Amino acid sequence: AQSVTQLGSHVSVSEGALVLLRCNYSSSVPPYLFWYVQYPNQGLQLLLKYTSAATLVKGINGFEAEFKKSETSFHLTKPSAHMSDAAEYFCALRGSGGYQKVTFGTGTKLQVIP
Amino acid sequence: GAGVSQTPSNKVTEKGKYVELRCDPISGHTALYWYRQSLGQGPEFLIYFQGTGAADDSGLPNDRFFAVRPEGSVSTLKIQRTERGDSAVYLCASSSLGQGDEQYFGPGTRLTVT
Repeated sequence: AQSVTQLGSHVSVSEGALVLLRCNYSSSVPPYLFWYVQYPNQGLQLLLKYTSAATLVKGINGFEAEFKKSETSFHLTKPSAHMSDAAEYFCALRGSGGYQKVTFGTGTKLQVIP
Repeated sequence: GAGVSQTPSNKVTEKGKYVELRCDPISGHTALYWYRQSLGQGPEFLIYFQGTGAADDSGLPNDRFFAVRPEGSVSTLKIQRTERGDSAVYLCASSSLGQGDEQYFGPGTRLTVT
């Protein structure tokens, strides 16, 4: 069984402030973890992924995430928020090894205040 | 086209009617996935195709839902006797299928059952 928990359905930050979106997971097998961004009326776009290589993963648009097995976490960060970062962010999980279905979290809507 | 396309972008239907939703994956992608995204939720897995066959249909909610991919490319999600609870955005994704493979998402079809 696997699950993804995103703490905070809405997060507000000021432009230029640190962005921190939280994701915790549960998986019975070593996980692959993903962060996706969704802009209004658009499909999901991959920001970054962890696939058992480096635990600190850098993605597009200045985002990064760190896999912490001891905390079962994969939090998404960005040092300085831009207005264009306002969107909904989804953490997702699949098990490693062959086909495994992907489980998504419920999403966190990021608001950037000018 | 370069990305995953889905048609129609919006579909309004009456309760009890039959609908078909179409997905055109990225050329050459052998894996295709359907998800359903209800308001305020993350995408929920419905079905996964590898080539022409449904490798995992465990997410289909009931026998009113069916999907096909007869030539291993375009897929159609079919919903019979639609209910108001079927209203959601239906997302399609495709991938080339490798370890840690990235799924590329289409923009979705917004289905409204009145």
